[in-house]
Amino acid sequence: AQSVTQLGSHVSVSEGALVLLRCNYSSSVPPYLFWYVQYPNQGLQLLLKYTSAATLVKGINGFEAEFKKSETSFHLTKPSAHMSDAAEYFCAVSDGYKYIFGTGTRLKVLA
Amino acid sequence: DAGVIQSPRHEVTEMGQEVTLRCKPISGHNSLFWYRQTMMRGLELLIYFNNNVPIDDSGMPEDRFSAKMPNASFSTLKIQPSEPRDSAVYFCASGTSLGGGSYGYTFGSGTRLTVV
Repeated sequence: AQSVTQLGSHVSVSEGALVLLRCNYSSSVPPYLFWYVQYPNQGLQLLLKYTSAATLVKGINGFEAEFKKSETSFHLTKPSAHMSDAAEYFCAVSDGYKYIFGTGTRLKVLA
Repeated sequence: DAGVIQSPRHEVTEMGQEVTLRCKPISGHNSLFWYRQTMMRGLELLIYFNNNVPIDDSGMPEDRFSAKMPNASFSTLKIQPSEPRDSAVYFCASGTSLGGGSYGYTFGSGTRLTVV
């Protein structure tokens, strides 16, 4: 069965610093992988998705993620954090029509 | 496109009362999903509709929960009677096929339900 693990429930970075949010997946078939962002009291917004095309996926708001099959990873990065990036981030793997979500990583950006 | 529209945004009700949550999916999306988010259990799929037909309701917690999709532009999730442990944020999402049996979802803003 498919699953995802997000390492670190809370991550703090300084404004302008690199953002790295970790996600490892387990899948018996080539996976479809997603990153979503959730701002306080809002729904989940799709940041980017991997659907077996390019391994480096660019998303909205300057985020990108690299699919590494050898490491079963799909880490989310952004070169320079902004205060507005403070939110909770969810990695998900598609299991047919179901999404299996990770437990989320709350990103805090320090001024 | 207005996206997936959910109502109400917030609902506070007393234990034992009936609660109805509403969702209008994105036009043209043939799949609709109801999810529940809690601190303890994270995001859980409750039910999945395809072309207005319930395909998988294995995530519905118990008989107190029911969902309908009478047409392609409207769905409801009903809890009767409600209990304090039903307090959560309920999300509706609509989706289209990405191929390979996978779907791309668009989520609504959610309904925050508090049962006192």
